[in-house]
Amino acid sequence: AQKITQTQPGMFVQEKEAVTLDCTYDTSDQSYGLFWYKQPSSGEMIFLIYQGSYDEQNATEGRYSLNFQKARKSANLVISASQLGDSAMYFCAMSGYFGNEKLTFGTGTRLTIIP
Amino acid sequence: DAMVIQNPRYQVTQFGKPVTLSCSQTLNHNVMYWYQQKSSQAPKLLFHYYDKDFNNEADTPDNFQSRRPNTSFCFLDIRSPGLGDAAMYLCATSRDRGAGYEQYFGPGTRLTVT
Repeated sequence: AQKITQTQPGMFVQEKEAVTLDCTYDTSDQSYGLFWYKQPSSGEMIFLIYQGSYDEQNATEGRYSLNFQKARKSANLVISASQLGDSAMYFCAMSGYFGNEKLTFGTGTRLTIIP
Repeated sequence: DAMVIQNPRYQVTQFGKPVTLSCSQTLNHNVMYWYQQKSSQAPKLLFHYYDKDFNNEADTPDNFQSRRPNTSFCFLDIRSPGLGDAAMYLCATSRDRGAGYEQYFGPGTRLTVT
């Protein structure tokens, strides 16, 4: 079974500061994918970034980067230069293969950016 | 733009009155998913279609059914909604299943049961 743990239920960050959202995972699969999604108050889940378990380089997408530490089983999301529009719920998720294809979500972190 | 569309965005139904939620996609993806998300919780997968192959989650109540008449459309039917079924219902698609295939979500339908 796969499990995602997000230990920060809520975070408050000053605008323009960088923020790290924590995510740890547990799986017995050798091959898996890690995802981060953003969910604003409107409800839509927005895909942010993906990291494959065999990718040696940390994934980056604009202001988003994923700090992947495989030995520690962590996949933290880093948002550089935070903006007011970054205020939202953030979910870490993972999927695998061979019966573990479904997306397993963490409980989420509510990020609030303070002007 | 290619996208996942859900209608309606807000749905109010009465206790026990059947309701159908709709999802369509222009991405031509093989897989379509239905999630239930209650307030302040993570989305919970109800079932998914891999092409025409229906895959139900073990803990999805029988009250929830789904249809996928073609690649583009998928419907969620709640046969007898209870108060506990009030939630956001999210439709998602992916090109294939498993690691490496991100899911693209629609805007969701917020269901209220009175």
